[in-house]
Amino acid sequence: AQSVTQLDSQVPVFEEAPVELRCNYSSSVSVYLFWYVQYPNQGLQLLLKYLSGSTLVKGINGFEAEFNKSQTSFHLRKPSVHISDTAEYFCAVTGRSGNTGKLIFGQGTTLQVKP
Amino acid sequence: DVKVTQSSRYLVKRTGEKVFLECVQDMDHENMFWYRQDPGLGLRLIYFSYDVKMKEKGDIPEGYSVSREKKERFSLILESASTNQTSMYLCATSRDASNQPQHFGDGTRLSIL
Repeated sequence: AQSVTQLDSQVPVFEEAPVELRCNYSSSVSVYLFWYVQYPNQGLQLLLKYLSGSTLVKGINGFEAEFNKSQTSFHLRKPSVHISDTAEYFCAVTGRSGNTGKLIFGQGTTLQVKP
Repeated sequence: DVKVTQSSRYLVKRTGEKVFLECVQDMDHENMFWYRQDPGLGLRLIYFSYDVKMKEKGDIPEGYSVSREKKERFSLILESASTNQTSMYLCATSRDASNQPQHFGDGTRLSIL
């Protein structure tokens, strides 16, 4: 079984500042990892995913995340945020085998970008 | 682009009513999922289906049932709605492999009065 912990429920940041949204996971098997974004009154959109290979993954809208197996983390970063990045962000994990694509989601982190 | 369509964006029902939430996808995906989303709790899986007429319970199935008669359509049913089922409901689909991302509809905000 897997679990996901997003360490911050809210992250306020000023426009053009860097940001990191933290995600830790727990699993007894190897995993795939995902970050999704949810803008107000919309469903979730995929930002990026880690499947294998390079531990630094680049996604849409200038976001990137780094997979750290030893620390079981998958933190999301952006070097300079915009007002339009204000949204809720979800980290998700799934086991690499023996499942039907079920995802386990974290509780979400609300990113509030201030002018 | 994958399109996942939920039949209603907003829905208001009364306690005890039978409520149907519909989800349709246009990409021939095998897997379909129903979640509810509540503040501070993230997304919790209610039911999922990996094939027509197949269904499996998620983490919080109590008070809900599902139907998948055709591959493209997955319905969530609240047998007798209660106020604690007021929530945002999200449908998602994916191809049948664990490394495939899920694609989400825009959600149905359901209020039970």
